[in-house]
Amino acid sequence: AQKITQTQPGMFVQEKEAVTLDCTYDTSDPSYGLFWYKQPSSGEMIFLIYQGSYDQQNATEGRYSLNFQKARKSANLVISASQLGDSAMYFCAMRGLTGTASKLTFGTGTRLQVTL
Amino acid sequence: EPEVTQTPSHQVTQMGQEVILRCVPISNHLYFYWYRQILGQKVEFLVSFYNNEISEKSEIFDDQFSVERPDGSNFTLKIRSTKLEDSAMYFCASSERQFTGELFFGEGSRLTVL
Repeated sequence: AQKITQTQPGMFVQEKEAVTLDCTYDTSDPSYGLFWYKQPSSGEMIFLIYQGSYDQQNATEGRYSLNFQKARKSANLVISASQLGDSAMYFCAMRGLTGTASKLTFGTGTRLQVTL
Repeated sequence: EPEVTQTPSHQVTQMGQEVILRCVPISNHLYFYWYRQILGQKVEFLVSFYNNEISEKSEIFDDQFSVERPDGSNFTLKIRSTKLEDSAMYFCASSERQFTGELFFGEGSRLTVL
């Protein structure tokens, strides 16, 4: 079984500042992948970044980086130089990489509001 | 850029009616999924589909739900007799590989059951 915990229901950040969205996970799978998705008010789910449990380096995609700490079972998303368009719901998710468990399990999400 | 498309974007139905939500996954993808999101809540897994059969389903996916890939391109979710609590956003997703890489999501179909 897999569990994702996002303890921040809402976060505020000023434009151009960096923000960290927390995510911790629990799984019995020896190998797994961690994902972050953005959901703007329009509702679609937009993939941001992926980290494999076997990856030696933290993933980065433009302004997004994933602070992966395997021993702590955390996969925090860091958004640098926040923009107004970053205001959205952010979901952390994971999937096992073995057996038949290919589904994504999502956390409850963090609503980020970027202010001027 | 290839994308997952879903229709309808919004459907309103009466309780007890049948509803079919349609999805066209990305053409070279082999794994298909349905998720739902009740307003303000987290995204929940319903079912995964591969090689023309269900590979995994959640406890939410009871006998009222079914999925089908009728023609090699569409992937449908049918709810036979809708209940009020089926009101949610339903997302279709597809992926190229079983385990690695992201799931590509459609824009969702909002179902409102009255």
